[in-house]
Amino acid sequence: EPEVTQTPSHQVTQMGQEVILRCVPISNHLYFYWYRQILGQKVEFLVSFYNNEISEKSEIFDDQFSVERPDGSNFTLKIRSTKLEDSAMYFCASSVWAEGEQYFGPGTRLTVT
Amino acid sequence: QQQVKQSPQSLIVQKGGISIINCAYENTAFDYFPWYQQFPGKGPALLIAIRPDVSEKKEGRFTISFNKSAKQFSLHIMDSQPGDSATYFCAADQGGSEKLVFGKGTKLTVNP
Repeated sequence: EPEVTQTPSHQVTQMGQEVILRCVPISNHLYFYWYRQILGQKVEFLVSFYNNEISEKSEIFDDQFSVERPDGSNFTLKIRSTKLEDSAMYFCASSVWAEGEQYFGPGTRLTVT
Repeated sequence: QQQVKQSPQSLIVQKGGISIINCAYENTAFDYFPWYQQFPGKGPALLIAIRPDVSEKKEGRFTISFNKSAKQFSLHIMDSQPGDSATYFCAADQGGSEKLVFGKGTKLTVNP
């Protein structure tokens, strides 16, 4: 069964450093998403991406964040200058169409020290 | 208005019992209501979803009941098993938006 994959599973970085989280969505899916989950809290939407453009973003997704689909398979989330409060699980998701079922990857645990 | 309120926060059920988790929303533009199951250290896995044109959807031991007038929906797990022990999130999405709005989650424990 196709699934969303994410790398790395755990990333530790120092405050102020740049990190790139990587995702490979399900191959026939056209819509891609990033969500985050701070430990013990609910899952929060960050951004959606379609046709090489951001289609929707939340207030969390400020200028420190960017997304990119550098090739036909990868989808990345970059945090330019990490803060302690960026520590969270980051989930990538994908769907076939805009209002379709979203399938989540296993997540990347980001720890900012 | 964008919130989805989920209750209870935690739930303990005996094996074989029925687990019921409830969610309520205010935004009448929401038109898609999925439930996700999450095990520790894993990503949310889509369990079952419903759209407002039906009042109930059943898949195996899992049933969503939807009450459009009350703006509530619930997940029923019949014959609950220890393997069902996980955190369950309800979510909602509105037409024209790709953003899923999640509830705060319910930690379900099924005792053997």
